[in-house]
Amino acid sequence: GNSVTQMEGPVTLSEEAFLTINCTYTATGYPSLFWYVQYPGEGLQLLLKATKADDKGSNKGFEATYRKETTSFHLEKGSVQVSDSAVYFCALTPSGSARQLTFGSGTQLTVLP
Amino acid sequence: EAGVTQSPTHLIKTRGQQATLRCSPISGHTSVYWYQQALGLGLQFLLWYDEGEERNRGNFPPRFSGRQFPNYSSELNVNALELEDSALYLCASSEGTSGYNEQFFGPGTRLTVL
Repeated sequence: GNSVTQMEGPVTLSEEAFLTINCTYTATGYPSLFWYVQYPGEGLQLLLKATKADDKGSNKGFEATYRKETTSFHLEKGSVQVSDSAVYFCALTPSGSARQLTFGSGTQLTVLP
Repeated sequence: EAGVTQSPTHLIKTRGQQATLRCSPISGHTSVYWYQQALGLGLQFLLWYDEGEERNRGNFPPRFSGRQFPNYSSELNVNALELEDSALYLCASSEGTSGYNEQFFGPGTRLTVL
């Protein structure tokens, strides 16, 4: 079946540090890949997505590249801010008829001033 | 434009009772998805409805059921509640059935089973 494996958290960084959250997936064919973010007390929001191999999704300074050869979709940001503190979820929707999201376990990020 | 709305915000039930959770999708969206976010178990897919039909369900027992109404709003029903059903239940909607379509999430219903 489909699965998503995320880097274990929690992750604590100082403001302006570089962020990487690793994400790898198992799925047949060409799934669509997503990063969702959940700020404290809020619902899930789409951060970025990529729908085919070598696509780069980007938003709010965050980037992730769809790597078919390594089945990865790592999230990166060059300089984090305190306001980036949240839980980040990597997810996929499979190719084929099923459309539900399969999520990773989530990574808690705390950015200290 | 209004986002996905869910009601109630919080729901407290006792073991064995039934719970009904409601979701209104974004206007124009025909697909509704239900997910469970339980402590320690992450986000798990429950049910997917599109155009009034159940399209897929996750690995949950039959006491989790639902429906989608002609206006595309949806209900999730949980019968014979168990303590482990305590969780945040998230509803999401999307414009169509393509996997490229973003799913927009509501704020969730926090269900507590005592």
